[in-house]
Amino acid sequence: SQTIHQWPATLVQPVGSPLSLECTVEGTSNPNLYWYRQAAGRGLQLLFYSVGIGQISSEVPQNLSASRPQDRQFILSSKKLLLSDSGFYLCAWRLGTSGYNEQFFGPGTRLTVL
Amino acid sequence: QQPVQSPQAVILREGEDAVINCSSSKALYSVHWYRQKHGEAPVFLMILLKGGEQKGHEKISASFNEKKQQSSLYLTASQLSYSGTYFCGTEIEIGGTSYGKLTFGQGTILTVHP
Repeated sequence: SQTIHQWPATLVQPVGSPLSLECTVEGTSNPNLYWYRQAAGRGLQLLFYSVGIGQISSEVPQNLSASRPQDRQFILSSKKLLLSDSGFYLCAWRLGTSGYNEQFFGPGTRLTVL
Repeated sequence: QQPVQSPQAVILREGEDAVINCSSSKALYSVHWYRQKHGEAPVFLMILLKGGEQKGHEKISASFNEKKQQSSLYLTASQLSYSGTYFCGTEIEIGGTSYGKLTFGQGTILTVHP
């Protein structure tokens, strides 16, 4: 069966510090991978998605970046965090672009920028 | 391009029914429904595809009106465990297919009381 992992689970970082969040998927190959951010009490904002190694599409211009160094690994990074980067970061995976395939979310990373 | 959900919040007693609506201004390839408990990741409930196919949990039903680009989630005989925030995710049709990218509505908060 497929599983998705995210770490760390929680993170408290000062403004201006760097960020690296990691997501890995097990039990499948060549998944589509996604990064979402959810501000407190808000909806899910798509940040980046990837259909393959090294292929990253950005949805929202900001100080975040994403990379996919391996087939089942997706990394979200920032060189300098802003207060507005606080939120619940969710990684998700999905097989292919068929509308019939559901998207599965990881457990999330709760980031607080102070 | 974010779909619009209504109502924003619903309060029920156990056993009562509820309908949550999701509307898009774009031609849709599919609609996905998720439920999120506080502090947790969203959990998949249903997929509805253009053309009538659907996949999801037995106790939850939904509809998809392709002409109106609207979907509704029907929660019948509600239980305490149904409480949470419900999100619809829409996949826009481009040239008869999609890019596997879901855009989520702002969410509907459902509270079920004993």
